[in-house]
Amino acid sequence: GQNIDQPTEMTATEGAIVQINCTYQTSGFNGLFWYQQHAGEAPTFLSYNVLDGLEEKGRFSSFLSRSKGYSYLLLKELQMKDSASYLCAVRPSTDSWGKLQFGAGTQVVVTP
Amino acid sequence: KAGVTQTPRYLIKTRGQQVTLSCSPISGHRSVSWYQQTPGQGLQFLFEYFSETQRNKGNFPGRFSGRQFSNSRSEMNVSTLELGDSALYLCASSLDNSPLHFGNGTRLTVT
Repeated sequence: GQNIDQPTEMTATEGAIVQINCTYQTSGFNGLFWYQQHAGEAPTFLSYNVLDGLEEKGRFSSFLSRSKGYSYLLLKELQMKDSASYLCAVRPSTDSWGKLQFGAGTQVVVTP
Repeated sequence: KAGVTQTPRYLIKTRGQQVTLSCSPISGHRSVSWYQQTPGQGLQFLFEYFSETQRNKGNFPGRFSGRQFSNSRSEMNVSTLELGDSALYLCASSLDNSPLHFGNGTRLTVT
């Protein structure tokens, strides 16, 4: 079947680190995206992994293991503005960048 | 550079009516995709257009249709609206080998 799983909600304190896990079982795999979505706003692109390993971008890092069907997004030095939903998405086809399969999203709540 | 623009932002329709949503992609982006977002199902792919051709279609009934114009602007249409069609409809555009840029969406309420 086709499944992308991520936790529903995570809570962390300002300044802390949070790791959002995503596991996937899809009919094809050509990369994994992480998007951030604040309430009432558009999802915004955070990261893209197509090869195994860690990609670091400032306070955000994303990791991929294709053999395990697993990715995580690491948010460091949490700030209040990081409170948002984080969406994991798989690109299943080689012929399309527009067709993504999304997980249900992880709501991250940052507390003072 | 202007982002992806969707109109209208909010729409209220009654069951059985039809609706047309509009999307203007980022200048230079030829790929436009549409997604439906609901609390229960999350983001689900509707269709993708590239150079006026539908390149991919998701698992939605035929009541959902779309098209793309020569200037890359896109419209999606939903006919014979049902209560379950109430959702946030998101449009996204991209260059053909880059991540999607989403618009703020159209919030459709069907009563």
